[in-house]
Amino acid sequence: ETGVTQTPRHLVMGMTNKKSLKCEQHLGHNAMYWYKQSAKKPLELMFVYSLEERVENNSVPSRFSPECPNSSHLFLHLHTLQPEDSALYLCASSQEWNTPNYGYTFGSGTRLTVV
Amino acid sequence: AQSVAQPEDQVNVAEGNPLTVKCTYSVSGNPYLFWYVQYPNRGLQFLLKYITGDNLVKGSYGFEAEFNKSQTSFHLKKPSALVSDSALYFCAVRDREALTFGSGTRLQVQP
Repeated sequence: ETGVTQTPRHLVMGMTNKKSLKCEQHLGHNAMYWYKQSAKKPLELMFVYSLEERVENNSVPSRFSPECPNSSHLFLHLHTLQPEDSALYLCASSQEWNTPNYGYTFGSGTRLTVV
Repeated sequence: AQSVAQPEDQVNVAEGNPLTVKCTYSVSGNPYLFWYVQYPNRGLQFLLKYITGDNLVKGSYGFEAEFNKSQTSFHLKKPSALVSDSALYFCAVRDREALTFGSGTRLQVQP
């Protein structure tokens, strides 16, 4: 375990379903991130939260909705997804960038399949 | 925007031979550069980073990387490859509030 836990590990959902991905860290980090990893594509940054406030949103479709209730938890709420949204969704956490220990710790990811 | 490029989709090397995985960067200002490794169905694991200081950075599992400002490169190296090093390797650069990753290089170490 890296200290960042993602649940569920695998998720199959229909296009009309609503589901949520969960990420939890107990490393004392104050920034959390969602990335999407699709086959043969670079990791795509989706959302950034720093001190529980969203600071970056890379033009992600509204069918993806993040939530960060506190510095230890991050959610990604999913609704009316498309088959092309099938991917590995990775959560990461870090200290602030200007600290000596800056760098990401990743979870193992949620493998999402949209049918 | 800051960016990194990994010019090789795949690198093949025989066990025991030295390996190099290439990364070049494009940044304004001083770069924060990272290498991560990903094993199948897992998240990315930190290998090493360059913030400032010595151009040769040593990291986990015997890996090291050399920061070369004149060539804008940050190549990952290991003197003697192991079959267990076979994985997907990502170079990354800090870009505003987050890391931007390269497209990844698959390293295959043959016994």
